[in-house]
Amino acid sequence: AAGVIQSPRHLIKEKRETATLKCYPIPRHDTVYWYQQGPGQDPQFLISFYEKMQSDKGSIPDRFSAQQFSDYHSELNMSSLELGDSALYFCASSLVGSGDTQYFGPGTRLTVL
Amino acid sequence: QQQVKQSPQSLIVQKGGISIINCAYENTAFDYFPWYQQFPGKGPALLIAIRPDVSEKKEGRFTISFNKSAKQFSLHIMDSQPGDSATYFCAASDTNFGNEKLTFGTGTRLTIIP
Repeated sequence: AAGVIQSPRHLIKEKRETATLKCYPIPRHDTVYWYQQGPGQDPQFLISFYEKMQSDKGSIPDRFSAQQFSDYHSELNMSSLELGDSALYFCASSLVGSGDTQYFGPGTRLTVL
Repeated sequence: QQQVKQSPQSLIVQKGGISIINCAYENTAFDYFPWYQQFPGKGPALLIAIRPDVSEKKEGRFTISFNKSAKQFSLHIMDSQPGDSATYFCAASDTNFGNEKLTFGTGTRLTIIP
């Protein structure tokens, strides 16, 4: 079965640079979630989209923005990167009405130098 | 403030034994409680989930016990195997208003020794 795809898998950036993370949800899933997981930490919710509209927002810095496109893929844009942004970024997708299960992608490991 | 508290932080169990991980939550609006398994460098994978209308759910070697009045739930792994060695996260969400973001516990690093 098709899974959530994230790209790139690894990304190295310098401080103050920008980064764009991409997420391709499971086909026919209508909801995308973004989570940030620091080293040894639990995943923290950043933002979610349902049918291309932002549905919820968590502890996402103002330097970050995200959107969901007409083909349901989502992008997380991160600007003015800081050392503390180094983390694993996970995208999860779900289908409303199908039991609330969120399926996670393999993650993007962002390292800010 | 951690809305979902998880214990223990780490756990070592002998092969064939029972692994037990506990979680407690604060928000009474939570109505969906999944457990995720995560291997290093990988994304969390759903193991099993429960809703408050049942007190126990079993799938293979994995069982969730749920105590609504105490606001606690736990994961039991029977006949634990070395391949079960991973980090386990409990989570909770309020699904009533389409607001299904997961709030995770702090994780338990489980090691199964031969």
